[in-house]
Amino acid sequence: DQQVKQNSPSLSVQEGRISILNCDYTNSMFDYFLWYKKYPAEGPTFLISISSIKDKNEDGRFTVFLNKSAKHLSLHIVPSQPGDSAVYFCAALGGGTSYGKLTFGQGTILTVHP
Amino acid sequence: EPEVTQTPSHQVTQMGQEVILRCVPISNHLYFYWYRQILGQKVEFLVSFYNNEISEKSEIFDDQFSVERPDGSNFTLKIRSTKLEDSAMYFCASLTSGQWTQYFGPGTRLLVL
Repeated sequence: DQQVKQNSPSLSVQEGRISILNCDYTNSMFDYFLWYKKYPAEGPTFLISISSIKDKNEDGRFTVFLNKSAKHLSLHIVPSQPGDSAVYFCAALGGGTSYGKLTFGQGTILTVHP
Repeated sequence: EPEVTQTPSHQVTQMGQEVILRCVPISNHLYFYWYRQILGQKVEFLVSFYNNEISEKSEIFDDQFSVERPDGSNFTLKIRSTKLEDSAMYFCASLTSGQWTQYFGPGTRLLVL
């Protein structure tokens, strides 16, 4: 089941620069997308989300872009900080499943170097 | 800020033993979930639970698994006869009606020997 894919296992960025994390999906019935951040030995922490009827949502340093025709979303972090180093998961809701069931991508390990 | 809690944080068990993982969801939430993450793999959905019954379960959630909400606050995952491949982090999550943001607990690391 590869309905949500994050093709980059890792990303390394310099502090202050932009981090761009990508996510692709195959199920056009997904109607909500979320990004979660996860530190080792902790649960995923909600970061930002976007409804399928929008193409952009911004919250401070974090912006999520959605391109429905390409079934692609991306998370931009500007400026990146060392504390942003974590695993980032893209997750999708809907797709004909029970309310709230999340389908996760494989995750991207972000490392921000000072 | 309200949070989802899970106990124990770590559990080591022998193959074939029963384990019960416990979760206390956020108090006004109505939808409850269990996910797991095998080391190095993606977070996988196991089961969703609403109104005292299972809404959906994955292929992983076979007859060895069960969930229960024994009282107004706890939500448990029982694995009846653990297998080596059940070793993983197990996350509980909860969601309130009309919202989309699911909140996760810190997880229970289960190791089956």
